[in-house]
Amino acid sequence: GAGVSQSPSNKVTEKGKDVELRCDPISGHTALYWYRQRLGQGLEFLIYFQGNSAPDKSGLPSDRFSAERTGESVSTLTIQRTQQEDSAVYLCASSRDRGRYEQYFGPGTRLTVT
Amino acid sequence: GENVEQHPSTLSVQEGDSAVIKCTYSDSASNYFPWYKQELGKGPQLIIDIRSNVGEKKDQRIAVTLNKTAKHFSLHITETQPEDSAVYFCAGRQGGFKTIFGAGTRLFVKA
Repeated sequence: GAGVSQSPSNKVTEKGKDVELRCDPISGHTALYWYRQRLGQGLEFLIYFQGNSAPDKSGLPSDRFSAERTGESVSTLTIQRTQQEDSAVYLCASSRDRGRYEQYFGPGTRLTVT
Repeated sequence: GENVEQHPSTLSVQEGDSAVIKCTYSDSASNYFPWYKQELGKGPQLIIDIRSNVGEKKDQRIAVTLNKTAKHFSLHITETQPEDSAVYFCAGRQGGFKTIFGAGTRLFVKA
């Protein structure tokens, strides 16, 4: 079946602008994660959604970052007033449910803030 | 909180040789340890995982070992091929939802 998809694949924006990144998880997967990956570095947890429970936002680096999820489907990650340090690849992953640990990743969105 | 350290950061091997990547974790409550392979321009892909009640797991040319006492686990790739060239990440998870990733190892397999 279809995997996790993300859009856009690349985004270049000017400092101070807002951006929205989209993630479509695998159908039927109730758990969804967002990560940030800076160039040459590992994955940094940002936020976690599980079904209709309140999301865990403990990884969001500042109040400029927010995310929403519609039910158990699409999620959007919004970065307001972008800064150059926000430049990174933003990865989305989904898993079947909280008890299934295997995460399936999308291809990521490469964000460049100029 | 959990911390996962990964070594080496870069590894270069000759085709056909073995490659070993090592990780250590800090939280003894961690019970799930996946390994991901990330090719250029793609998201990470799960290649093998191990749970804390198992000491070793194999899948063809790939194996993972876990030493709970020492809190370290390793990825072993035998008979390496050029297509094994990628960045490999280890990770640890406690049983909640949060997975902590290592910094990655860039593996080069020279033909």
